[in-house]
Order: sequence, then structure tokens, then C-alpha cells
Amino acid sequence: KAGVTQTPRYLIKTRGQQVTLSCSPISGHRSVSWYQQTPGQGLQFLFEYFSETQRNKGNFPGRFSGRQFSNSRSEMNVSTLELGDSALYLCASSPQGNEQFFGPGTRLTVL
Amino acid sequence: QQQVKQSPQSLIVQKGGISIINCAYENTAFDYFPWYQQFPGKGPALLIAIRPDVSEKKEGRFTISFNKSAKQFSLHIMDSQPGDSATYFCAAFSGAGSYQLTFGKGTKLSVIP
Repeated sequence: KAGVTQTPRYLIKTRGQQVTLSCSPISGHRSVSWYQQTPGQGLQFLFEYFSETQRNKGNFPGRFSGRQFSNSRSEMNVSTLELGDSALYLCASSPQGNEQFFGPGTRLTVL
Repeated sequence: QQQVKQSPQSLIVQKGGISIINCAYENTAFDYFPWYQQFPGKGPALLIAIRPDVSEKKEGRFTISFNKSAKQFSLHIMDSQPGDSATYFCAAFSGAGSYQLTFGKGTKLSVIP
């Protein structure tokens, strides 16, 4: 099976712009989770979707949003980018939620 | 509130030695405990995982030991190799409405020849 794919792999934006990241899960997986990884805060949970429903959301401002489509593909959006949003954004897919397989991530740099 | 505490932050082990990384958790609702291995520029890769009804799980050179009463679990890497040099993360998952992995801060392992 193909692994989790994320696009784009690298992104450079300026403050105030918005960005959309995409994730294609492993075939047959219905759960998609998003995490933010930074050197200072480590891996932090953003949100989780299962069959198009958000089941949980982490402690991030409303500028961070996401959605899942009927084919389980997911997108996350960050509006009004801030310098502190620079991070590696990781998507993980799972059959049910616990056993999560990560993609390579999208490296976002905000200037 | 850090719910999963991981130690040490960094670890240097000689080739052939045993690497041991420890984690402690607070939330008794956690019911699944995976370990991830991450190389620079890559996403975390699932290494091995355990449920709290099992005290030990072994897969090749990797073993998880789990102590439910102490709320602690550890990863042992036997016969450590230079190719094992990476950052290791422990995590905990609760299926009871949380559906999220809570990660430790990571341990940077260096295996020297």
C-alpha cells in the first residue's frame, strides 16, 4: 500500500497570508489527524477527522481549521499567518484512530 | 500540562549496547502506547506499540516494557546500531473521546561505532 502523502512538501509564505495543506491517507484508512511539530513545543495535536466528522480539536486558535472529504483526503487551512506558525505540519492516517501512520510533513516557513 | 514525560533528552550509546528510553504518563484513560522513530527531514515512523493489559512486547531488537501501576513505560533497543541514530518519541492515546496522540518531548539517540 502507498503511504501517507502530503502536498506541498515545502511552503514559504509571508505574515498575514493564508495557506492550505493537503493530505492523502493510506487507502482504506478513515481517520486523519494533523499535528504541528516545532523544536520548542514538540509534536502538538491540531485535529482529528473520521469519516468527514471532526472528533477532536487541539488547543490552537480558530485560524487553524481543517476538513475531510468523502474519499478520506483531508486539508488543513491556516489563515492570517504569524511568524510562530512556522513549523513542520504532519498528517497521520489510521484505520480507527490509535495506530497512526505519518506522512513526510509539509515544512511551512512564514516570513 | 505535559501529560507524557520522556527522558532522557539525549542519549549516547556505543554500538552493540542497549539503549533505554523512559516515559511516564498521568492520564489513566490512555489505552494505547506507541513509540515512533524520526530521522531528520522525515515524518515519525511507528516502531512498536503496546496496550496496558500487556507488560512487555518485543519486535526484533525493540522491546517495550510497561508498568501500569507506576504509569511508566520504556523502550529498549538491544544491540544498538549506528543506523538507529534518530529521535525517538513515546506517545499515548485515549480512544475515550480524545482520539489524539499525546507525545513526549523526544530523545535524540546517537549510536557511536
